[in-house]
Amino acid sequence: AQSVAQPEDQVNVAEGNPLTVKCTYSVSGNPYLFWYVQYPNRGLQFLLKYITGDNLVKGSYGFEAEFNKSQTSFHLKKPSALVSDSALYFCAVRTDSNYQLIWGAGTKLIIKP
Amino acid sequence: SQTIHQWPATLVQPVGSPLSLECTVEGTSNPNLYWYRQAAGRGLQLLFYSVGIGQISSEVPQNLSASRPQDRQFILSSKKLLLSDSGFYLCAWSERVRNTIYFGEGSWLTVV
Repeated sequence: AQSVAQPEDQVNVAEGNPLTVKCTYSVSGNPYLFWYVQYPNRGLQFLLKYITGDNLVKGSYGFEAEFNKSQTSFHLKKPSALVSDSALYFCAVRTDSNYQLIWGAGTKLIIKP
Repeated sequence: SQTIHQWPATLVQPVGSPLSLECTVEGTSNPNLYWYRQAAGRGLQLLFYSVGIGQISSEVPQNLSASRPQDRQFILSSKKLLLSDSGFYLCAWSERVRNTIYFGEGSWLTVV
């Protein structure tokens, strides 16, 4: 069965430090990977995606993610965290044979001043 | 550019009453449309999706139904709400080829 795991329920980072939000996946076929961010009481906003090509993908708000096929991971990163990055982050995956997204459970990111 | 509108933003309804949440997309044609529910501020559950007018697929059997009367309009309905229908409902769309999903701002439903 296809699945996405976000192993950390919550991540705490000091402002100015680098941040990583982890995501691993299990699919049959080539994965298409996505990251979304959700601020309180708002809809999800698309951050970035990996379809093919360069394993390092750059997205909105200074975020980037690295696709690692051998580790089946797609971790979200940012070199220097801002307090305004505090939000709920979702990883999702689909394949070219199944266009429905499989969602992770979400990781709450808290950036402390 | 494309935009998605979803309303109402907040709704408090008594048990047994009907429900209608509406969603429209502008700036595109023939989109895929989706209704999601988010419970407890975390997990996303796909309720319905549609690839065209009148074409609705249900992912989870439940008290809700969806309709797509026009190309860019998607409606979530219930004839009689249950307490368990409370939650945050999100409409979303995607282009058929690119498949990145874009979400509306969501609707908070509280059934009392």
